[in-house]
Amino acid sequence: GAVVSQHPSRVICKSGTSVKIECRSLDFQATTMFWYRQFPKQSLMLMATSNEGSKATYEQGVEKDKFLINHASLTLSTLTVTSAHPEDSSFYICSARPRAAGPQHFGDGTRLSIL
Amino acid sequence: DAKTTQPPSMDCAEGRAANLPCNHSTISGNEYVYWYRQIHSQGPQYIIHGLKNNETNEMASLIITEDRKSSTLILPHATLRDTAVYYCIVRVATSGTYKYIFGTGTRLKVLA
Repeated sequence: GAVVSQHPSRVICKSGTSVKIECRSLDFQATTMFWYRQFPKQSLMLMATSNEGSKATYEQGVEKDKFLINHASLTLSTLTVTSAHPEDSSFYICSARPRAAGPQHFGDGTRLSIL
Repeated sequence: DAKTTQPPSMDCAEGRAANLPCNHSTISGNEYVYWYRQIHSQGPQYIIHGLKNNETNEMASLIITEDRKSSTLILPHATLRDTAVYYCIVRVATSGTYKYIFGTGTRLKVLA
């Protein structure tokens, strides 16, 4: 149980394009989901906490107008990278936790490459 | 900032036990310790978590010291597929929920 699905797994697009990444909890409801970014050979960096039905909470230094988060249902959160540039190329990973107390479960990540 | 510190890398012979240490000296009394691993280009995989008692599941064992300031993840019979980066995490309470702050982790290489 506790499966988190992320889509797409890989995106390659031109500079200036906006890219949407979906994160779904397949077998549980999640009022809170998390978005991370990971650069090569580095650890995961928390970008924001996605809250169902309300605004996301962004970590210091993360531009909320650049990384738009929508958590419209208990099973879906989306991250939109607006007007993406090559420096936004990274591995984006989401996670979610079942409503009962327990560990977070992670998606398989989305590799974003901006040309 | 991450609340844990781990050695950057370790090697382990295939078939031997891999013991991965973690220091979390500022852990609070009701905070759990979580262990995950990340194989290249995948999302982190949950391994085990514990509060103060030792824990065991089908993947690993978790030994937590009595003062809870450190713990050790044990993979009893390491295989080549256990080569990964292992993260020890103590979650941080914030705004009514808990978030994970990842440290640098330990890069475990299992050698044939």
